[in-house]
Amino acid sequence: QSVLTQPPSVSGAPGQRVTISCAGSSSNIGAGYDVHWYQQLPDTAPRLLIFDNTYRPSRVPDRFSGSKSGTSASLAITGLQAEDEADYYCQSYDNSLSGSVFGTGTKVTVL
Amino acid sequence: QMQFQESGPGLVKPSQTLSLTCAVSGDSINTGGFSWTWIRQHPEKGLEWIGHINYLGATSYSPSLKSRVSISQDTTKNQFSLRLSSVTAADTAVYYCARSPVVLLAFDIWGQGAMVTVSS
Repeated sequence: QSVLTQPPSVSGAPGQRVTISCAGSSSNIGAGYDVHWYQQLPDTAPRLLIFDNTYRPSRVPDRFSGSKSGTSASLAITGLQAEDEADYYCQSYDNSLSGSVFGTGTKVTVL
Repeated sequence: QMQFQESGPGLVKPSQTLSLTCAVSGDSINTGGFSWTWIRQHPEKGLEWIGHINYLGATSYSPSLKSRVSISQDTTKNQFSLRLSSVTAADTAVYYCARSPVVLLAFDIWGQGAMVTVSS
């Protein structure tokens, strides 16, 4: 059961900027818990893309950036590339469930 | 670099117990400061947190699965395991093991995943 809501899909031409929203509530993002983002390429395991709302692991290009405000968060991809075509998930902690929760997932298509 | 490898039966009959093991290489699961987690992904669906066990042996489970799930660890074999009882077709999924630094609450290392099908 996903308690974080994302748009099912977003698309953009190479070089463009796309954003993915992640809507939560007062028991998760709005309670101050950090948001993390994952990229899942076809037929592979997810990999951590952004942690603690805005930080990137060293291997992740700076084309990827994250932000958080209130009960929602966003992932932005600038200079979209063909290799960015993947599914993206947000994740946070929910204190009413006492556990981690994931977003519904967003498929990014590069036109 | 720590690596994870899931293993277990790929086919489980309805009402039986699903059992998976995550073998860890590259470092010890006895290292303090981490939780060892199971996550699943139904076919063509999103990710679902199942639960975790931390380095002290304390467990936490998803409320929706709590009555059927058990996570344990074997530090002598450097592995941790998942047991899910009374399975149905709704438990058909790819099961991932992952690591979560307790100060981060994110999953920074993942196994490649193990597909489990529940069918008679």
